Amino acid sequence: AQSVTQPDIHITVSEGASLELRCNYSYGATPYLFWYVQSPGQGLQLLLKYFSGDTLVQGIKGFEAEFKRSQSSFNLRKPSVHWSDAAEYFCAVGAGQAGTALIFGKGTTLSVSS
Amino acid sequence: DTEVTQTPKHLVMGMTNKKSLKCEQHMGHRAMYWYKQKAKKPPELMFVYSYEKLSINESVPSRFSPECPNSSLLNLHLHALQPEDSALYLCASSQVVGRISPDTEAFFGQGTRLTVV
Repeated sequence: AQSVTQPDIHITVSEGASLELRCNYSYGATPYLFWYVQSPGQGLQLLLKYFSGDTLVQGIKGFEAEFKRSQSSFNLRKPSVHWSDAAEYFCAVGAGQAGTALIFGKGTTLSVSS
Repeated sequence: DTEVTQTPKHLVMGMTNKKSLKCEQHMGHRAMYWYKQKAKKPPELMFVYSYEKLSINESVPSRFSPECPNSSLLNLHLHALQPEDSALYLCASSQVVGRISPDTEAFFGQGTRLTVV
């Protein structure tokens, strides 16, 4: 069965510092991977997705993620964090025929310190 | 228009009440989803509709009854809920059903915050 693991429950980063959020997946075939962000009490916004092809994926708000099949990882990165990036970040794998029945990791809470 | 609209935004209901959550999208998507999200937890898939037919039910209790009356609308009927059903209920929709494509993406609504008292 598909699953996603986000090892870090909570991360604090200084504003302007770089960020890496970890995600490991378990999936028998080529995974369809997503990163979503959620602000408190809000819905989910897609940051980026991996379907196939280039293993470095660019997303919105300056985020990127790298798919590494050998490590079963899809880590999210940002070179310089802004205070507005503080939120909950979810990695997800797409299940079902269309790959959009999402299975989420437990999430990583990002705090940004000034 | 890339919006998924959910109403109401907040709902408080008693354990004997019957209420409904509504979700609407006008993006021409033929797959729609209900997720449940408890506080400090990830969203959990409840139901998937494709072409207005229920395709996935993740063993959800019968007190939750989904309905997809047309391709733009998805309802979740609630009856005899328990306090532990209090959560954020998220609706999502996606374009492609039946195969993966580079356009595969699920769009989420802002959710309905449900409190059962």
